[in-house]
Amino acid sequence: EVQLVQPGAEVKKSGEPLKLSCTASGYNFTNYWIAWVRQMPGKGLEFMGIVHPRDSTVRYNPSFLHQVTVSADKSINTAYLQWTNLKASDTAIYYCARLAVEWGSWFDPWGRGTLVTVSP
Amino acid sequence: DIQMTQSPSSLSASIGDRVSLTCRAAWDVSTYLNWYRHTPGKAPQLLIFSASKLQSGVPSRFSGSGSGTHFTLTISSLQPEDSAIYYCQQTYTSLPTFGQGTRLEI
Repeated sequence: EVQLVQPGAEVKKSGEPLKLSCTASGYNFTNYWIAWVRQMPGKGLEFMGIVHPRDSTVRYNPSFLHQVTVSADKSINTAYLQWTNLKASDTAIYYCARLAVEWGSWFDPWGRGTLVTVSP
Repeated sequence: DIQMTQSPSSLSASIGDRVSLTCRAAWDVSTYLNWYRHTPGKAPQLLIFSASKLQSGVPSRFSGSGSGTHFTLTISSLQPEDSAIYYCQQTYTSLPTFGQGTRLEI
């Protein structure tokens, strides 16, 4: 079974760093991009960026460029989303998802998401 | 960015009902349109990809149609587990964008 596993929650303070993980299993990790998606409280889904684990190529939504860093470690089948300096406005649920590309592209499967709470 | 607009924003229906949800793209996205079901607390689930293709393992009561700027997700006979938020997503450009979601209550 293809799975993406994310920690359930992180509680941090404003100004602290954070590195979220997304661990894949059930498929060849180096064959697919991994995407990160944000859901702010009461809001919809926003694409943040993608990373290809084979060579760590990354692409960002311009809205998130310089705000976060996306990376991957193919030796442990894990992708990451990290901040150096969290803000209260980073409070959200963060999902990772595998990007399938064939005659179109889509996100499947998704992780269950990590709820990040940042206090002022 | 290609803006995606879903309607209605929310909908209440009964078990066994047939419902149709709409998604409109600001620009032509061909058939690069996907639908997801999201129950809060769970992982979003891919239902339909490339506008009309049913993802493996997804019940056949779900179907998708449309191309260009107008798309529809139809659920033929609602079940309790269909109470969720439904999102459309375009992947025509390298910057995927989602609609704001339709909340379906059963």
